[in-house]
Amino acid sequence: NAGVTQTPKFQVLKTGQSMTLQCAQDMNHNSMYWYRQDPGMGLRLIYYSASEGTTDKGEVPNGYNVSRLNKREFSLRLESAAPSQTSVYFCASSDRGGVSPLHFGNGTRLTVT
Amino acid sequence: DAKTTQPNSMESNEEEPVHLPCNHSTISGTDYIHWYRQLPSQGPEYVIHGLTSNVNNRMASLAIAEDRKSSTLILHRATLRDAAVYYCILYFGNEKLTFGTGTRLTIIP
Repeated sequence: NAGVTQTPKFQVLKTGQSMTLQCAQDMNHNSMYWYRQDPGMGLRLIYYSASEGTTDKGEVPNGYNVSRLNKREFSLRLESAAPSQTSVYFCASSDRGGVSPLHFGNGTRLTVT
Repeated sequence: DAKTTQPNSMESNEEEPVHLPCNHSTISGTDYIHWYRQLPSQGPEYVIHGLTSNVNNRMASLAIAEDRKSSTLILHRATLRDAAVYYCILYFGNEKLTFGTGTRLTIIP
């Protein structure tokens, strides 16, 4: 049982390049989330998906797009990367939104030069 | 949105109990109180959560004040492995939650 799997683990981009961060969970959870964590800071919510087919903005959505491909997968896309998007990105899932624990992946460390 | 307030840092001796406080004076009646911890270079890890009553699991205990305006995470016997940043968050219905900066717990051997 892998839980929440994120790929890639590390990525370096040049300013203006695009990329997609992948996230998959094998726990049959309904809700999925993307967070970013800057050095010395807490986690900030970028986007979330309360159920398959729905997505909504979190606290810091600018510069990102998401796709809930199916119940298992939730991807995060950077269309034109900027140095301000250098961060560690965490994907999480939960069974019943706020009443269930969140399960996190191990993160993707992204550097934009 | 309801907010939480935690001390920036705390220290505790190894093998002693640790009490990590969290204030949430604007909590609503349906907000669950969640605690997570984050070890260096890892994703956050679920610790415990509760609504009104005190809760226990194999990792910790959660003591919730009667008025629910504060709570305390209790690690019964701290080990070096418990050194982490601990986040207290409120969670229900509003998916737009953020973790804040948490409490950095240092365990002294």
